[in-house]
Amino acid sequence: QSALTQPASVSGSPGQSITIACTGTSSDVGSYYPVSWYQQHPGKAPKLMIYEGTKRPSGVSDRFSASKSGNTASLTISGLQAEDEADYYCCSFAGSSTFVFGTGTKVTVL
Amino acid sequence: EVQLVQSGAEVKKPGESLRISCQGSGYSFAGYWIGWVRQMPGKGLEWMGIIYPANSDPKYSPSFQGQVTISVDKSISTAYLQWSSLKASDSAMYYCARFSGATFSAAWFDPWGQGTLVTVSS
Repeated sequence: QSALTQPASVSGSPGQSITIACTGTSSDVGSYYPVSWYQQHPGKAPKLMIYEGTKRPSGVSDRFSASKSGNTASLTISGLQAEDEADYYCCSFAGSSTFVFGTGTKVTVL
Repeated sequence: EVQLVQSGAEVKKPGESLRISCQGSGYSFAGYWIGWVRQMPGKGLEWMGIIYPANSDPKYSPSFQGQVTISVDKSISTAYLQWSSLKASDSAMYYCARFSGATFSAAWFDPWGQGTLVTVSS
């Protein structure tokens, strides 16, 4: 059971849009299981940003959106803001009652 | 408010045993799976396992099967993560999180506990 693959880092200027990819296999991301996404600021616990593939919890900005195509899920942050600088992780069901996280992506706001 | 509160930081020696806890409040504890996640220093999140309080049924990641024990006491709305013999490589931050969703395979983690830092050093 290998971690889902994410780019180590993604950066953008304030106001720009960035996209974080999360690549798995046909056994996890590529299956019909929806992906969830989490934001983690330094020294803090992770926070749910996207669930059931595309839904945002109450309180999460609509600047965050997600999609999936084949074995790759994506998180897009539009109108990038300084407060978006954090680590982001995807997560998928991996079969046999187990889940797997992505390797994590550090988002830097230039 | 749905909340998970974890026990405090621990400093242990190699070979010692340890049990850390995660107490839920603000919801029907028995009806939601609780999961544990490891984060080693400077590293990413790793899914360790999950337990259903209503029947104390644990599921483990293959990477952690046999290395830790996940248990629960629903009478006090508390889940546990336990080691029988700690190693230096067990030093990490450990998070618990409530598992939500209409189906197990479509579920997500929310909310999360504040984390418990475990340091194992001689």
